[in-house]
Amino acid sequence: NAGVTQTPKFQVLKTGQSMTLQCAQDMNHNSMYWYRQDPGMGLRLIYYSASEGTTDKGEVPNGYNVSRLNKREFSLRLESAAPSQTSVYFCASSESPRQGGTGANVLTFGAGSRLTVL
Amino acid sequence: AQSVTQLDSQVPVFEEAPVELRCNYSSSVSVYLFWYVQYPNQGLQLLLKYLSGSTLVKGINGFEAEFNKSQTSFHLRKPSVHISDTAEYFCAVNRFAGGGNKLTFGTGTQLKVEL
Repeated sequence: NAGVTQTPKFQVLKTGQSMTLQCAQDMNHNSMYWYRQDPGMGLRLIYYSASEGTTDKGEVPNGYNVSRLNKREFSLRLESAAPSQTSVYFCASSESPRQGGTGANVLTFGAGSRLTVL
Repeated sequence: AQSVTQLDSQVPVFEEAPVELRCNYSSSVSVYLFWYVQYPNQGLQLLLKYLSGSTLVKGINGFEAEFNKSQTSFHLRKPSVHISDTAEYFCAVNRFAGGGNKLTFGTGTQLKVEL
């Protein structure tokens, strides 16, 4: 059971460089999310995708773009990285209410991607 | 708008002692409440959840939490902690938006269990 897989696990960028974080889930979940985790700030939602073909901004979307490539994959792109984007990024997925059951409320997280922008 | 407050950033405790990690929330609508645990260098995993029904919720690893609507609290407790419980614990509140879940997390409480 792979669950939610994120790549890469670690990345160092220079200011202004671009990169894409990849995320894939094998649980047939409709909904996927990107969070960032910073010390003392908990997790903050960057973008989410309620279902294939839709994406919406979360709490801190500036400087990021996302693509819901298909039901399994949800990528996060930094077009021009800034030091303020140094963080640990987590992808998560969940069932949506349409899929029924109480699983709609439970997020499954990936192991995280640690990004450093110099 | 909704928010989650975890009152303690760090909680040191000796092994086999009881522990309570505090969580308060604010929301104008009914919410679902969660506790997640993050072990070092790992992602978050669900400890327990309150959706409806009994206000005392039992989770994995001997943890439990009580939903108190009048005090808008959802404190996490364990009667006897083990060294392996050392981790960061996050309280979260959920609301549906556009068909998806939007979890708002607290800032986390680092539980350090000492021998």
